[in-house]
Amino acid sequence: GAVVSQHPSWVICKSGTSVKIECRSLDFQATTMFWYRQFPKQSLMLMATSNEGSKATYEQGVEKDKFLINHASLTLSTLTVTSAHPEDSSFYICSARVTQVPVGGYTFGSGTRLTVV
Amino acid sequence: GESVGLHLPTLSVQEGDNSIINCAYSNSASDYFIWYKQESGKGPQFIIDIRSNMDKRQGQRVTVLLNKTVKHLSLQIAATQPGDSAVYFCAEKFSGAGSYQLTFGKGTKLSVIP
Repeated sequence: GAVVSQHPSWVICKSGTSVKIECRSLDFQATTMFWYRQFPKQSLMLMATSNEGSKATYEQGVEKDKFLINHASLTLSTLTVTSAHPEDSSFYICSARVTQVPVGGYTFGSGTRLTVV
Repeated sequence: GESVGLHLPTLSVQEGDNSIINCAYSNSASDYFIWYKQESGKGPQFIIDIRSNMDKRQGQRVTVLLNKTVKHLSLQIAATQPGDSAVYFCAEKFSGAGSYQLTFGKGTKLSVIP
């Protein structure tokens, strides 16, 4: 149980365009979701925390107007990278806090590889 | 042996040997710790967790040890198998009401030699 489905798994887009990444909780309600960014051979860096029905909380240095997060329902959170540039190319991962036990607190999506050309 | 690259330390072990992966966490107020396994191009996969009121927890082939005095966490994998090859991250959660964010460590790449 407690599965998060993340789509797409990879996407290539042109500079200046926007890309939307979706994360759905399949068998539980995700009140809180987290979005991470991961560069090659590096760790996961938290970008923002989203709570259903309210505005996301962004980490320092993350542009909220560039990385739009919507968490309009208990089963869906989206991250939109607006006006993407090559430096936005990265691996983006969503995570949901799981309040059911004994899953282990958090579950992660499979990630989205974004390449901006 | 263990080596440190530009970004990711690497641990190489022989198949069948035990592996020990270490992590130094940052906040003495953290109350929950998790070890994750990440294979290339995939999201992190839960391995084992431990709360700050414990110093050891065992799972299937894995053991996590917590030393709060020196803010150190370790993951022991018994009888390491080729399928264990991956990057391993520790993560900590700060204590406090409403605090649910995880902070990830730098990660260690485990390579199992058949």
